[in-house]
Amino acid sequence: QVQLQQSGPGLVKPSQTLSLTCTASGGSITNDDYYWSWIRQPPGKGLEWIGYIYHSGNVYYNPSLESRVDISVDTSKNQFSLRLSSVTAADTAVYFCARYYDSRGMNWFDPWGQGTLVTVSS
Amino acid sequence: DIQMTQSPSSLSASVGDRVTITCRASQRISVYLTWYQQKPGKVPKVLIYTASNLQSGVPSRFSGSGSGTDFTLTISSLQPEDFATYYCQQSFSTPLTFGGGTKVEIK
Repeated sequence: QVQLQQSGPGLVKPSQTLSLTCTASGGSITNDDYYWSWIRQPPGKGLEWIGYIYHSGNVYYNPSLESRVDISVDTSKNQFSLRLSSVTAADTAVYFCARYYDSRGMNWFDPWGQGTLVTVSS
Repeated sequence: DIQMTQSPSSLSASVGDRVTITCRASQRISVYLTWYQQKPGKVPKVLIYTASNLQSGVPSRFSGSGSGTDFTLTISSLQPEDFATYYCQQSFSTPLTFGGGTKVEIK
């Protein structure tokens, strides 16, 4: 049973870079059926897909964030990471990592990391 | 981008009620539609995938239907543990997008 554990700071100053890491345990990040994803949820609001990465390094971003986002994978550590640059208060949200299953026409996000509330404030 | 529109945005219902939530896509997405349930302070949980397939472990009172642009999530008999926010999500094309959510509250 794969579990995802997030790490990273909960407070980032405006204009700086948000950095989070997600470590998978109980399964390999190199499984061909999965993409490794980041999703965020502003307080009291809905879910926004940020992007995902395949273990090969192929990455797909939401165009709304693409100019500021970098998602990377480290298969040796079984982890993947998010960097979001030039943050503003609008980037304040709970950030989730999640595994995206994509095989045989079936797709879903599961499991999810525990979530990290990242507040952008000076 | 494919826009996902859920209705209603919130509803009040009683235990035992039949509840229906709709999700409309801005373009045809075949059956690439997933439903999630999220409780306060918790991560989303998969209920239905590929529009109508019940995820393992999810009670049979949950069901999904639809294809193309119009989809529904039905709870046949609302239970106390079902009070939550429900989201639809399309996986037809990137960027993957979610509906705005439907909050199911106790009447």
